[in-house]
Amino acid sequence: SSELTQDPAVSVALGQTVRITCQGDSLRSSYASWYQQKPGQAPLLVIYGENNRPSGIPDRFSGSNSGNTASLTITGAQAEDEADYYCNSRDSSGNPLYVFGCGTKVTVL
Amino acid sequence: EVQLLESGGGLVQPGGSLRLSCAASGFTFSSYGMSWVRQAPGKGLEWVSAISSSGATTYYADSVKGRFTISRDNSKNTLYLQMNSLRAEDTAVYFCAKRENCGANCYPFDFWGQGTLVTVSS
Repeated sequence: SSELTQDPAVSVALGQTVRITCQGDSLRSSYASWYQQKPGQAPLLVIYGENNRPSGIPDRFSGSNSGNTASLTITGAQAEDEADYYCNSRDSSGNPLYVFGCGTKVTVL
Repeated sequence: EVQLLESGGGLVQPGGSLRLSCAASGFTFSSYGMSWVRQAPGKGLEWVSAISSSGATTYYADSVKGRFTISRDNSKNTLYLQMNSLRAEDTAVYFCAKRENCGANCYPFDFWGQGTLVTVSS
């Protein structure tokens, strides 16, 4: 079955830039979507498609896709950006239909 | 304002059944595919099941295939997940999620409910 691989954890100094990556074969045929999840809350979509932000998501969040790798970049990280971040895509095999990465814990120092 | 409100979670014994519901509002429910996604305690997100906008096509993760059934009632703007033969490993918060239509190769879940906790234990 298809998998999406993410680093378990990264840290970033306040105001600095952090990039989170997601790798998997499904990304060759489907854009990654990125979700932010804070403790006790539902996931929140932050980036989707080529590099699109839903309404209300700050422009310090951006995304990119190349081959089997997708990236989420936070430029000028804020304290409120500390959260778990998950990538997800649709699997071309259809089994499973959708896959999620294991998540990256972002700590803002 | 889009809202998704899950209900139906609770404590159930192994082998038991539960039916989850997700009441949708704030968008044209019948125009969007929907999914259930779960999160075991302290773990990551796992896609469980999806259904097309009309309800004609359904999909399941191998871990629940043959035990769970997804359905929807577009007249009631409600998504369902019938869970049978529950196991301890099904213990999780279950989220319903709306799938946005954003073109080719683009499949984000743009809105999520707050989740409902299912605990399978004797």
